[in-house]
Amino acid sequence: RKEVEQDPGPFNVPEGATVAFNCTYSNSASQSFFWYRQDCRKEPKLLMSVYSSGNEDGRFTAQLNRASQYISLLIRDSKLSDSATYLCVPMDSSYKLIFGSGTRLLVRP
Amino acid sequence: DAGITQSPRHKVTETGTPVTLRCHQTENHRYMYWYRQDPGHGLRLIHYSYGVKDTDKGEVSDGYSVSRSKTEDFLLTLESATSSQTSVYFCAIRGTLGEQFFGPGTRLTVL
Repeated sequence: RKEVEQDPGPFNVPEGATVAFNCTYSNSASQSFFWYRQDCRKEPKLLMSVYSSGNEDGRFTAQLNRASQYISLLIRDSKLSDSATYLCVPMDSSYKLIFGSGTRLLVRP
Repeated sequence: DAGITQSPRHKVTETGTPVTLRCHQTENHRYMYWYRQDPGHGLRLIHYSYGVKDTDKGEVSDGYSVSRSKTEDFLLTLESATSSQTSVYFCAIRGTLGEQFFGPGTRLTVL
């Protein structure tokens, strides 16, 4: 089983749509979690940290379900500029980040 | 902006030649990391450093060495480059909550 599993997509949505990405992780010892976005041929950029109670940052909402080892990211009112690859990233007990291949989002006009 | 730069940004080299990539940070972070990213793979950790002269291997360290003689610079060396090392290389620093911030990357092609 992969350490981090994400639907690779692409998710093709119109502007203004709500889209949700899911992620499962295998290491039950993971304590911290992050969502990164990566534009084509660019470095990953931290989008948000994921807290146990769930957290929201503007149009973005992250949820964590430790029992199911499942993380989600919801994007409301999608913008063209949201087109990117979204990486779900758990941190293991030695502070190493575990990267999956990500989910690609395309927002169309 | 985490103040991370990488050099060179692009490099084309030939099989068997040595290559050194440089990562430079300006904010005195203790932890620094080198990753490679290839199509179909997530970022994979090559080596990391937890202080000056303190380094350790990641999951794909074969064929790579690193050095950190001062806090701000973390060097990645390919002693004898191979075509399988064609990749995009990212350097990162660790933030206070364990998150990492990445440099702009170096695109390396080994012919």
